Amino acid sequence: AQSVTQLGSHVSVSEGALVLLRCNYSSSVPPYLFWYVQYPNQGLQLLLKYTTGATLVKGINGFEAEFKKSETSFHLTKPSAHMSDAAEYFCAVIFSGGYNKLIFGAGTRLAVHP
Amino acid sequence: DAGITQSPRHKVTETGTPVTLRCHQTENHRYMYWYRQDPGHGLRLIHYSYGVKDTDKGEVSDGYSVSRSKTEDFLLTLESATSSQTSVYFCAISESGQGYEQYFGPGTRLTVT
Repeated sequence: AQSVTQLGSHVSVSEGALVLLRCNYSSSVPPYLFWYVQYPNQGLQLLLKYTTGATLVKGINGFEAEFKKSETSFHLTKPSAHMSDAAEYFCAVIFSGGYNKLIFGAGTRLAVHP
Repeated sequence: DAGITQSPRHKVTETGTPVTLRCHQTENHRYMYWYRQDPGHGLRLIHYSYGVKDTDKGEVSDGYSVSRSKTEDFLLTLESATSSQTSVYFCAISESGQGYEQYFGPGTRLTVT
């Protein structure tokens, strides 16, 4: 079955430290890949996406992600965490033939402490 | 922000009662989706629509039905609510074509007692 795995349901970093949120998907065919962020009591906001082309994708708020086909991964990074980055982050995938249907990972809650 | 509204934003209802949630968009996007969000599961697709009167089931469609009589409105109905349907429900929209990102509404928190 097609699936999306986010390693670590909770990640805690210090302000100014590197943020690394992991996402792996189950498919040998390159899918469409997305990262969304959800702040408390709000809907989901698109951070970035990969469809085709350059495998390093830059998004909003200083985040970026790299598509690695050989590792079936799409990890999200930010060089320096800010307190305002505290939120829940979701990796989502549209698999080939998926008719634009997003499959979500379970989410990673990011905490940023001073 | 994409023009998506959901109503109601909060609802408490009793087991066995029917409930209808509404999603309204002002973007004229072709695709509309209903998801539910539960801890540890991320978001899971309930139903989606690819045009007026064109709908299909998603991953967790049992106990839910949908209707879309106008481009801008997508209704989700729980015919007889159960406690397992207590959740946060999100509507999303996207343009035609593969790979287009989805834009999400603010959500509806539903509690079934």
